[in-house]
Amino acid sequence: AQSVAQPEDQVNVAEGNPLTVKCTYSVSGNPYLFWYVQYPNRGLQFLLKYITGDNLVKGSYGFEAEFNKSQTSFHLKKPSALVSDSALYFCAVRDIAGSARQLTFGSGTQLTVLP
Amino acid sequence: NAGVTQTPKFQVLKTGQSMTLQCAQDMNHNSMYWYRQDPGMGLRLIYYSASEGTTDKGEVPNGYNVSRLNKREFSLRLESAAPSQTSVYFCASRDRGLAEAFFGQGTRLTVV
Repeated sequence: AQSVAQPEDQVNVAEGNPLTVKCTYSVSGNPYLFWYVQYPNRGLQFLLKYITGDNLVKGSYGFEAEFNKSQTSFHLKKPSALVSDSALYFCAVRDIAGSARQLTFGSGTQLTVLP
Repeated sequence: NAGVTQTPKFQVLKTGQSMTLQCAQDMNHNSMYWYRQDPGMGLRLIYYSASEGTTDKGEVPNGYNVSRLNKREFSLRLESAAPSQTSVYFCASRDRGLAEAFFGQGTRLTVV
């Protein structure tokens, strides 16, 4: 069975500081990895994905994530946080060899950027 | 381009009532999904449809039924609503050739 862990329910960071939202995963084969963001009363918006290739993936709004196979991690990062980045962030994983349904989400991390 | 459209956005039901949540996508995607979102639990898959004409159970299917009406539309039905089904429901779609899913805006359902 595959799983995703987001160990922090809440992350607070000052505006202008770098931010990291952590994610670790478990799959039996090779993973597809995703980050989504959810603003209040909205649906999930796709940020970035790792399929194969370069371990550093760049996505929307200046976010990036680093795939680390040995640590089974896919942490979301941004060099300089904005107040508008405050939202709920979800990591998700799918086994490349899996069926259409096998997209598993983490429990989410609430990011608050303080002005 | 509307993407994934869900109706209604909000609904309050009494225990035992039935209702159908509607979802339509205009991206010609093959796969469609219904998730529920509960605090601290992330998104859990209720049902999915890998292609038109097929449906299958996800992680939490009890109390729900689905219909893949055509390639565009995938509805979720609660036959006899229970307070435990109070949640935010999201529909999503995904193309076979693309890995990421696209989500609707959600339906906030309260069962009293």
